[in-house]
Amino acid sequence: AQRVTQPEKLLSVFKGAPVELKCNYSYSGSPELFWYVQYSRQRLQLLLRHISRESIKGFTADLNKGETSFHLKKPFAQEEDSAMYYCALSTLGFGNEKLTFGTGTRLTIIP
Amino acid sequence: ETGVTQSPTHLIKTRGQQVTLRCSSQSGHNTVSWYQQALGQGPQFIFQYYREEENGRGNFPPRFSGLQFPNYSSELNVNALELDDSALYLCASRPRQGATGYTFGSGTRLTVV
Repeated sequence: AQRVTQPEKLLSVFKGAPVELKCNYSYSGSPELFWYVQYSRQRLQLLLRHISRESIKGFTADLNKGETSFHLKKPFAQEEDSAMYYCALSTLGFGNEKLTFGTGTRLTIIP
Repeated sequence: ETGVTQSPTHLIKTRGQQVTLRCSSQSGHNTVSWYQQALGQGPQFIFQYYREEENGRGNFPPRFSGLQFPNYSSELNVNALELDDSALYLCASRPRQGATGYTFGSGTRLTVV
């Protein structure tokens, strides 16, 4: 069975400081990893996908299969980054397609 | 282009009752998934529908059932409601089988008393 672990429920970082949100996963197959973000009073939205290898709003995440991790990073935090962040793993295959989410990390940027 | 819309936004039901939640998928999206998000938890997969058939199910009992209609909209039905069913129910859609990148609705907040 697949599992996603986000060890930090809460994370506070000063504005301008680097941010790292941790995500570890367990899955026997070839995973696809995502980061979803939920800003205050907004719906859950996709931040980035590992397969795209892109940077969104200054955030990046690298899939490390050896460490089974997909940590989210940003070099300089901004106040608008305050939100709830969820790491998710997608399993594909007919009859088994779903997203497995971690419990989330609430990131607060201190001005 | 409209996003995923869910109705109602809030609902209060009594234990033992039945409830139906509705979801209109984003235009062009033919795959719909439902998730339950309890307070302080990440969303948990309930089931997914593609071409009006259930295509994957999470660890939820049979009293959680669903439908998908020809226009790709979907319903989630829960029978014999229990207090622990109180949660935010999220609908998500995506364009086609095998493609990823789900678009989520704002959810229905269900409270069972």
